Amino acid sequence: DADVTQTPRNRITKTGKRIMLECSQTKGHDRMYWYRQDPGLGLRLIYYSFDVKDINKGEISDGYSVSRQAQAKFSLSLESAIPNQTALYFCATSAPPGGSGANVLTFGAGSRLTVL
Amino acid sequence: AQTVTQSQPEMSVQEAETVTLSCTYDTSESNYYLFWYKQPPSRQMILVIRQEAYKQQNATENRFSVNFQKAAKSFSLKISDSQLGDTAMYFCALDGGGADGLTFGKGTHLIIQP
Repeated sequence: DADVTQTPRNRITKTGKRIMLECSQTKGHDRMYWYRQDPGLGLRLIYYSFDVKDINKGEISDGYSVSRQAQAKFSLSLESAIPNQTALYFCATSAPPGGSGANVLTFGAGSRLTVL
Repeated sequence: AQTVTQSQPEMSVQEAETVTLSCTYDTSESNYYLFWYKQPPSRQMILVIRQEAYKQQNATENRFSVNFQKAAKSFSLKISDSQLGDTAMYFCALDGGGADGLTFGKGTHLIIQP
């Protein structure tokens, strides 16, 4: 099984619909992230969480919300999807600073979302 | 704010050649980490190499090596003996030690021609 699992892998939806992207990890890490990838723009941070009670906005949080249901689970929601939220979404996790794998992001396989 | 700039949107080389991808960055931190990630057509993000800023020695991983110039804030990736499987998007990324993960460049699309 993958260290970081994202569902769904692909989703097509309509404008105004509510969408949830789910992420679970088996790395045992506290730190989890949601990124958005658009062609020519690289990856941009939407939200991040350092533990169940710690949620922080990233660079482009408008129009998104998140829920950290457990250490291993971090979901991203679009309350009312719009076409410019069409993108590839990545969940990632990282070890805390100080260890040999510190700061290294382990990514899920991505969720391709298309909003019509 | 920290920034990462990749000035080459696309590059194309012949198989077995050596290619260098450029990356410059800006941060006010003295201790930070730099990364190169590869994204093949499968879209999976794969760590290629990691460099800690306080280490002067350039990181290497098999055919992949970096040229880290701290004063110039430059972090280029060299791929030796390029292979068809190296065809991918390559992203340079910076962790400036803040609480909010990595800042990514816009990517370089590398095409290895047979």
